[in-house]
Amino acid sequence: DVKVTQSSRYLVKRTGEKVFLECVQDMDHENMFWYRQDPGLGLRLIYFSYDVKMKEKGDIPEGYSVSREKKERFSLILESASTNQTSMYLCASSLEGSSYEQYFGPGTRLTVT
Amino acid sequence: GQSLEQPSEVTAVEGAIVQINCTYQTSGFYGLSWYQQHDGGAPTFLSYNALDGLEETGRFSSFLSRSDSYGYLLLQELQMKDSASYFCAVREGSQGNLIFGKGTKLSVKP
Repeated sequence: DVKVTQSSRYLVKRTGEKVFLECVQDMDHENMFWYRQDPGLGLRLIYFSYDVKMKEKGDIPEGYSVSREKKERFSLILESASTNQTSMYLCASSLEGSSYEQYFGPGTRLTVT
Repeated sequence: GQSLEQPSEVTAVEGAIVQINCTYQTSGFYGLSWYQQHDGGAPTFLSYNALDGLEETGRFSSFLSRSDSYGYLLLQELQMKDSASYFCAVREGSQGNLIFGKGTKLSVKP
């Protein structure tokens, strides 16, 4: 079974802090994705990566950056957290050419106060 | 622009059949995926249609009409455990990311 893990289930940070969300997958997937999920808005793509050290902006990249130094790990960075970044963050992975079938981690509920 | 439309809520009774529709307008189209998400859980992949027609997987079926920019997820013999949110998602390119709809919350009543 594909396993996607995220570093924290719940996280509380203060405005202005730098926040790191880590995601690790164990199935040698080439593709990795970061989404945020807010009530009534569905899943919105923040960044994705098709290979190590490669990244592409999604629909809402502002205020975020990412890092992919190893194939299995994809990190989301909030450079200076703001209250409007309070959300559920979901990481996903998929095989190359199979982005239609993504495997999701359990999510990190981030609260910025 | 890009948009996916699906009903926000659907209610049905145990044992019934329910259809969740999805219409889309995107710049590119390679296929339509469906995901299920229980409250507090992660989305899980259900099905994918790249070509017109019906795909069946057990109690769940998914349909696509590319000419109508329309698809649906059909759930048969509904069970209480089917209560969840269901998302349609368009694959824009061969290596492209998914664009998700806002989700349909299905409530199954006894």
